Amino acid sequence: GQNIDQPTEMTATEGAIVQINCTYQTSGFNGLFWYQQHAGEAPTFLSYNVLDGLEEKGRFSSFLSRSKGYSYLLLKELQMKDSASYLCAARGAAGNKLTFGGGTRVLVKP
Amino acid sequence: DTGVSQDPRHKITKRGQNVTFRCDPISEHNRLYWYRQTLGQGPEFLTYFQNEAQLEKSRLLSDRFSAERPKGSFSTLEIQRTEQGDSAMYLCASSFSATNEKLFFGSGTQLSVL
Repeated sequence: GQNIDQPTEMTATEGAIVQINCTYQTSGFNGLFWYQQHAGEAPTFLSYNVLDGLEEKGRFSSFLSRSKGYSYLLLKELQMKDSASYLCAARGAAGNKLTFGGGTRVLVKP
Repeated sequence: DTGVSQDPRHKITKRGQNVTFRCDPISEHNRLYWYRQTLGQGPEFLTYFQNEAQLEKSRLLSDRFSAERPKGSFSTLEIQRTEQGDSAMYLCASSFSATNEKLFFGSGTQLSVL
């Protein structure tokens, strides 16, 4: 089976940095994804990691350690519009579906 | 590219009724996925198609649920004899098969079963 764990909620101040951790257990591994979801809206793609290391994309970075089954999403220079749920998802070796964690709700305060 | 479209956006029904939702994927995408999401939770996989073939179905999916993608383009998800526990957001996503394929989600159909 597959299991994805991430914190339920985090609060941070505008302009600060927040790191959202995700641990996963999958039957095989074929990529780790991060999605952003604002309330009432569709999830939108943020990042993809399949090899160990850091992927940087503007204010957002994502890190993967395959040996530890661990990833994090780093949000820098937080803005109020970054208040959303952040979903960690893994693709196993068998099949193509993504298995999602429960999401981390990030609240950015002024 | 008009994105993934889902219809209707909202559906209210009475327990025991049948409902059908439609998803139109991004036109060049050959894979289509259905997920269900309840408040405060992540999306839960239901089923997926490659072209018109249904390749995987969640073991959690009751036999009251059926999905089709008859011509490899749009898809429908039908729920028969709805129950209050079926109340959720039903999300459709599509992708084009590739090494780092990412899913593009529609805005979902919010189902409320009274």
